[in-house]
Amino acid sequence: DADVTQTPRNRITKTGKRIMLECSQTKGHDRMYWYRQDPGLGLRLIYYSFDVKDINKGEISDGYSVSRQAQAKFSLSLESAIPNQTALYFCATSGPRAREGYTFGSGTRLTVV
Amino acid sequence: EDQVTQSPEALRLQEGESSSLNCSYTVSGLRGLFWYRQDPGKGPEFLFTLYSAGEEKEKERLKATLTKKESFLHITAPKPEDSATYLCAVQAVDGGSQGNLIFGKGTKLSVKP
Repeated sequence: DADVTQTPRNRITKTGKRIMLECSQTKGHDRMYWYRQDPGLGLRLIYYSFDVKDINKGEISDGYSVSRQAQAKFSLSLESAIPNQTALYFCATSGPRAREGYTFGSGTRLTVV
Repeated sequence: EDQVTQSPEALRLQEGESSSLNCSYTVSGLRGLFWYRQDPGKGPEFLFTLYSAGEEKEKERLKATLTKKESFLHITAPKPEDSATYLCAVQAVDGGSQGNLIFGKGTKLSVKP
């Protein structure tokens, strides 16, 4: 099994729909992150969580919300999807000081039509 | 403001043609610099962490080096399977970014047989 599992792998949804992307990790780490990746813009941080009770906004949190259900689970929701949220979304996890960097999931390709 | 700039944006090499990718950074204090490899449609895969100027790390045909202002990823005698996007990220010592990694936009490497 992968260290970080994201579901679904691909999703097409309609404008205005609510959608949830799920992430689970088996590394036993406290820190988890959600990024989106767009061509030419690189990886941009949406939300991050240092433990179950500590959730923080990243640089592009508008239009998104998150839920940390357990140490191993961190979900990203789009409350009302819009076409410019079409992107590749990655979940990642790291140890306490991220000394060994992040471990990423395989990504969710989201298309909003 | 902490910042990471990678160059070139894209690089085309012939098999066996050695070259280097650049990552320049501006950060108040560097805790660590990270290199990742990303294949199309997949999550970034960790390659190296460098912590201090003068440090070098190697893995197969890849060698990463670090100075006080930049890092290089040297690729010696590349093969087509080295084709990927290479991402650089830095982690700052101060709490400005909450210790989160700051990513560059990547260099897309294509190696032709």
